[in-house]
Amino acid sequence: DAKTTQPPSMDCAEGRAANLPCNHSTISGNEYVYWYRQIHSQGPQYIIHGLKNNETNEMASLIITEDRKSSTLILPHATLRDTAVYYCIVTNNTNAGKSTFGDGTTLTVKP
Amino acid sequence: GAGVSQSPRYKVAKRGQDVALRCDPISGHVSLFWYQQALGQGPEFLTYFQNEAQLDKSGLPSDRFFAERPEGSVSTLKIQRTQQEDSAVYLCATTDPGSPPYEQYFGPGTRLTVT
Repeated sequence: DAKTTQPPSMDCAEGRAANLPCNHSTISGNEYVYWYRQIHSQGPQYIIHGLKNNETNEMASLIITEDRKSSTLILPHATLRDTAVYYCIVTNNTNAGKSTFGDGTTLTVKP
Repeated sequence: GAGVSQSPRYKVAKRGQDVALRCDPISGHVSLFWYQQALGQGPEFLTYFQNEAQLDKSGLPSDRFFAERPEGSVSTLKIQRTQQEDSAVYLCATTDPGSPPYEQYFGPGTRLTVT
């Protein structure tokens, strides 16, 4: 699985959009980008994933650059409950989703 | 429906003791993963099962770590002769490999403290 690079921490004001970047410059053509988040004392929770097209669901949007070497997770209206560690992962799903997590980005949403 | 459950939630062991950590997967999820998460770090892969077959155990840190899933459902991670460096949260995750988007469903974890 390709390695990802994320900033260790970010702050966001409540109600504003949170944009979390991820670099995955060694991503292969058959690898997907997945995002999870981990709220304190809980297991990680799936947010969204994509291959090359931008994706949106009820939780977030995922923007993948045309060269697929980076992506951005967007939480459109951050709330205090979005404070968590966010992990960006790339995987080809050939091992049923075995994932290599980095250290993620700690997002702190402030009132 | 019910999610992934793990027990115990917290375990304190004295150095040298054996421990057993249990994972109850989501019904029908044939793939099961164990991860180890040290304080302040992301989860690190330990091992992977598909049904009862252990297909990948490349992440197990030593031969003191052993995992099993004899009937393809409940899994147990066993750590023998625990050491202080084994202190971590142990996460179990399951997925249905036949159903995109193949996301992993994680349990709440077991926090192991070795004293």
